[in-house]
Amino acid sequence: DAKTTQPPSMDCAEGRAANLPCNHSTISGNEYVYWYRQIHSQGPQYIIHGLKNNETNEMASLIITEDRKSSTLILPHATLRDTAVYYCIVRPSFAGGTSYGKLTFGQGTILTVHP
Amino acid sequence: SAVISQKPSRDICQRGTSLTIQCQVDSQVTMMFWYRQQPGQSLTLIATANQGSEATYESGFVIDKFPISRPNLTFSTLTVSNMSPEDSSIYLCSAETGTATEAFFGQGTRLTVV
Repeated sequence: DAKTTQPPSMDCAEGRAANLPCNHSTISGNEYVYWYRQIHSQGPQYIIHGLKNNETNEMASLIITEDRKSSTLILPHATLRDTAVYYCIVRPSFAGGTSYGKLTFGQGTILTVHP
Repeated sequence: SAVISQKPSRDICQRGTSLTIQCQVDSQVTMMFWYRQQPGQSLTLIATANQGSEATYESGFVIDKFPISRPNLTFSTLTVSNMSPEDSSIYLCSAETGTATEAFFGQGTRLTVV
C-alpha cells in the first residue's frame, strides 16, 4: 500500500479553517485517500474519502491535487472539539485484492484547536 | 452507518492469564478487523476476522497468541492469551459493510496487564 506523510502536529485558532496536508506520492490508480480522526480515548472516526475529485461533506472538505500525490483536509470552522489526531490513509478500492478493507495507520497529525 | 459495541471497555489482568474481548455490530457487516494501539502509538492491524473460517493475521501476529472467532456476520471475539505487560494496549474492533465505503470502529478495550 502507498505510504503517507503528515506533519506531526499543527495548531489552529477556534473558528478558523484548519488545513491538514498529506503527501502520498506513491499512490496508485486504484487507491483512495481516506481521512480518519481519533479524539482522545475514543475509536477512530471516519471523516471523508476521495479518489481524484474534490469532496465535501458535513464535516470537512478534501482537496486532492491533480497528480494525486498530495491532498489537504479542510475543517472550515474549527472548534475545540476538533482537537484530535488526524490520519490520512491510502487504501485500495474494493477490488484491491489482499489489501481489501484494511486500513494502515501512520502516526497522523495532532491538531490542537485553541481558543 | 454501523454501531459497534465492545466489551469489556477496560480491564486489569494478571500476567499469564487470557482475556476475551467481544465485538458486537448492530447490523450485518461483510468485514471485521481487530487492531491494537500501544500507548502513545498509532493503530496496528492484528487480523481480519473471517466469517466461518480462520482469521487472516498480519505479520507479527499469530493465532496462538490472538485467537479470533467470528461465528456470524455481527459478532467477533479476540482473545489475548498468556498475557504479559507488553500486551497492555487498547484493542479496537472495526467493521465495514458491503455497501458502505468507510470502516466503523468500536470505542476500544483498554487492557492493562500487571
